Amino acid sequence: AQKVTQAQTEISVVEKEDVTLDCVYETRDTTYYLFWYKQPPSGELVFLIRRNSFDEQNEISGRYSWNFQKSTSSFNFTITASQVVDSAVYFCALSEARSGNTGKLIFGQGTTLQVKP
Amino acid sequence: KAGVTQTPRYLIKTRGQQVTLSCSPISGHRSVSWYQQTPGQGLQFLFEYFSETQRNKGNFPGRFSGRQFSNSRSEMNVSTLELGDSALYLCASSLDGGALNEQFFGPGTRLTVL
Repeated sequence: AQKVTQAQTEISVVEKEDVTLDCVYETRDTTYYLFWYKQPPSGELVFLIRRNSFDEQNEISGRYSWNFQKSTSSFNFTITASQVVDSAVYFCALSEARSGNTGKLIFGQGTTLQVKP
Repeated sequence: KAGVTQTPRYLIKTRGQQVTLSCSPISGHRSVSWYQQTPGQGLQFLFEYFSETQRNKGNFPGRFSGRQFSNSRSEMNVSTLELGDSALYLCASSLDGGALNEQFFGPGTRLTVL
C-alpha cells in the first residue's frame, strides 16, 4: 500500500529555533520519488525538494535540509534558524514510478508550522 | 513564464447544482492533475490528463469528471453537488506527468456548497 504519514499535526516554535518535520512513507515500489511542498495561507503549493529512491544523500539548501533514510522509510525536513515567514503547512508526498501512476502524488496529512516572533 | 492559473478562485453553489472549474497549465506542459483538499481527508488525487486523455484516476465517485483540450487546458466538473464537496480544488501541471517531473500547482479554486 502507498501511504505517507506526517505524525506531527502542528508544531509551534519561536523564531531562530531549529525545527524538524517528520515524514514516514510506505511503498512496494523500488523506484519512487519523495517531495516536500509548502502551502502558505494563500493556498498554492510550493515545491521545495524532490528525491529519488536511489539517492540517499542528504541535501542542504540554505536554511533547509533534508534527511532521507530508506532503512527507516523516512524523509525528514529540518529548518534551521526558523523565521516567521516559514509559517505554513508543509506536506510530504510520494510518487511511484510504475506505469499507471502518472500524475499522482500521495500526500501526507501535513504539518502546520507556526513560527512566533 | 506564467504559472498555473485556475478560475474561478472562489465559488459558492448549492446542493444539487453542478460546477465546472478550469485550469490552464504552464506553457509546454501536457499533463494536468487535479486534487481535492479538505480538512478531514487532506489532499487527495482526483485524476490526471495527458494529451486529452485521462490516464489515471483516484477513488472518487463518477460525479467527478474532467477533460483536457488540445491546448492542454483542463476542466473538471462536479455534478449533483453535495455538502462534502466543499473543498479547495488544486490543479497541477507537469511536462508529462511522470514521477520524475515536478508538478507545479495553481492557487486553487475554493468551492463552498451550501
